Amino acid sequence: GDSVTQMEGPVTLSEEAFLTINCTYTATGYPSLFWYVQYPGEGLQLLLKATKADDKGSNKGFEATYRKETTSFHLEKGSVQVSDSAVYFCALRKSYNTDKLIFGTGTRLQVFP
Amino acid sequence: SQTIHQWPATLVQPVGSPLSLECTVEGTSNPNLYWYRQAAGRGLQLLFYSVGIGQISSEVPQNLSASRPQDRQFILSSKKLLLSDSGFYLCAWSVPRRNTGELFFGEGSRLTVL
Repeated sequence: GDSVTQMEGPVTLSEEAFLTINCTYTATGYPSLFWYVQYPGEGLQLLLKATKADDKGSNKGFEATYRKETTSFHLEKGSVQVSDSAVYFCALRKSYNTDKLIFGTGTRLQVFP
Repeated sequence: SQTIHQWPATLVQPVGSPLSLECTVEGTSNPNLYWYRQAAGRGLQLLFYSVGIGQISSEVPQNLSASRPQDRQFILSSKKLLLSDSGFYLCAWSVPRRNTGELFFGEGSRLTVL
């Protein structure tokens, strides 16, 4: 079945370091891909998305490119801040006419000053 | 603006006891509603999905049930909890028919079954 695999955390970085959180997926057809973020004490919220191959989603300095050839959607940020500390979830949507998402396990990011 | 409320935030229940988690959405009409669960070491799993009052789709076989007695109210229930029901439960809503993939989540309810 369709699934999303994320790198295990926690990922621990110093402020201003480069961030990569890996995400790969298994799905038939042409899914849409998403990154959600959960800050401490809050609900998950959409960070960015890409709906077709080679699309790049971006928001708040984060980027991810939809790579169909490697079935990946890795999250990157050039310089992380302490305020980026959160849990990041990769997700896919199999069909364009639904909002039902399949999520990965989440990766906790801890940024220290 | 729209808000989503979920309660209780934390719950510790004995095996065999009943469960009721409640979720309400404010500021929107006829939302699509979702219950997700995250068990230890696993991704968020979609449990139930609803497009309207009384319309519930179960995504996985389980010991739980869901109801939608009002347009913006979504309830997750069990008559007898199992140890395997422990986890983090999240309610979410989305704008109907827009299909952007954007879900709006509550803060979650952590259930421990002993």
